[in-house]
Amino acid sequence: NAGVMQNPRHLVRRRGQEARLRCSPMKGHSHVYWYRQLPEEGLKFMVYLQKENIIDESGMPKERFSAEFPKEGPSILRIQQVVRGDSAAYFCASSLLPVGGDTEAFFGQGTRLTVV
Amino acid sequence: DAKTTQPPSMDCAEGRAANLPCNHSTISGNEYVYWYRQIHSQGPQYIIHGLKNNETNEMASLIITEDRKSSTLILPHATLRDTAVYYCIVLLISSGSARQLTFGSGTQLTVLP
Repeated sequence: NAGVMQNPRHLVRRRGQEARLRCSPMKGHSHVYWYRQLPEEGLKFMVYLQKENIIDESGMPKERFSAEFPKEGPSILRIQQVVRGDSAAYFCASSLLPVGGDTEAFFGQGTRLTVV
Repeated sequence: DAKTTQPPSMDCAEGRAANLPCNHSTISGNEYVYWYRQIHSQGPQYIIHGLKNNETNEMASLIITEDRKSSTLILPHATLRDTAVYYCIVLLISSGSARQLTFGSGTQLTVLP
């Protein structure tokens, strides 16, 4: 059973371009969480999705950022018109049920976005 | 979510047990304690979780005090590869509600040769 897969592992974009980060959850997991880690900082929650639904996007920047988790295929975190401040590691996690209680979440290895 | 307090850093000699403390004095009766770690630049790795009973798995042991206001993660025989930031997280059971893991500053554990 493969773990959470994120791709690409490294992504370089010029200012103003779009970045698309993909996350394939563990098999059977329908709950996906995105986190961002700025250089030398902690992990910050961005968004929680369950198949085809956004459950909690309280950590998402109001502009330029969007996320989806379609019925088929990976979850996508999309950043439009990237700026240098978007340079960070973006981590995805998945869980079988909503995290909490007796349910843990498992993380991928992240996508490191560099905006030049 | 209940707030957690961890020491910012700890050292441990290789081969010895590493005991990482966490205070969660405002924890409520239905909140689980989770431990994750992040080895430099990698994705966070799940270690263990528990409610009130002590728990053990292949990676570590989790000791939760009887009043549940604190816990200790024990790595029985620390190796250099256990050097990482360790996060103690308290997460509420809330069926049907949106929950997420909230990471604090954690404890930087350095295992020394």
